Amino acid sequence: DGGITQSPKYLFRKEGQNVTLSCEQNLNHDAMYWYRQDPGQGLRLIYYSQIVNDFQKGDIAEGYSVSREKKESFPLTVTSAQKNPTAFYLCASSIGRDAQFFGPGTRLTVL
Amino acid sequence: KQEVTQIPAALSVPEGENLVLNCSFTDSAIYNLQWFRQDPGKGLTSLLLIQSSQREQTSGRLNASLDKSSGRSTLYIAASQPGDSATYLCAVNAGNNRKLIWGLGTSLAVNP
Repeated sequence: DGGITQSPKYLFRKEGQNVTLSCEQNLNHDAMYWYRQDPGQGLRLIYYSQIVNDFQKGDIAEGYSVSREKKESFPLTVTSAQKNPTAFYLCASSIGRDAQFFGPGTRLTVL
Repeated sequence: KQEVTQIPAALSVPEGENLVLNCSFTDSAIYNLQWFRQDPGKGLTSLLLIQSSQREQTSGRLNASLDKSSGRSTLYIAASQPGDSATYLCAVNAGNNRKLIWGLGTSLAVNP
């Protein structure tokens, strides 16, 4: 089945730790995105990538880093510099500016 | 600056009712508009995408319309079912990049 997978589903981080969220797609989409969702707020774009080995900052990139070494993979690292990382993280992909399709999400909690 | 508003924030209807969800945007120069559904604790499911040149799109019991001149899109759900209960989000793609501008969503409850 074609789709987007995210792992883990739940992730717990201690203060000062870096953690990496996985996002993989087998849709052969060129573009991939990371969003953060907080209660009462709209989705906010963290980073996006239009092609392999290239990515751009979104609206809230501080404290996050990404890589795009393969077309199908776009991992997100939440660094210790992100002061309020507890949120629901969503990965998406698209062909150009066509419809974006989303993965099931990762819920990150800081202990 | 493009802004997207969804009204109402919450809606509760009895099963079988036809209903309309609204999405308004401030800048009519959009590339496309997409409607999504989100169940609690889950990812987003793409429902319908309307290109700027289109007036409406249909999928099953769902019909989305677009009126760029008035800055509005509506999502029509026919013969609502309890399984339609979810949060419905609209997002506008505008400008020269791939960023989506999001509304806050309408939380729909369909009561049996």
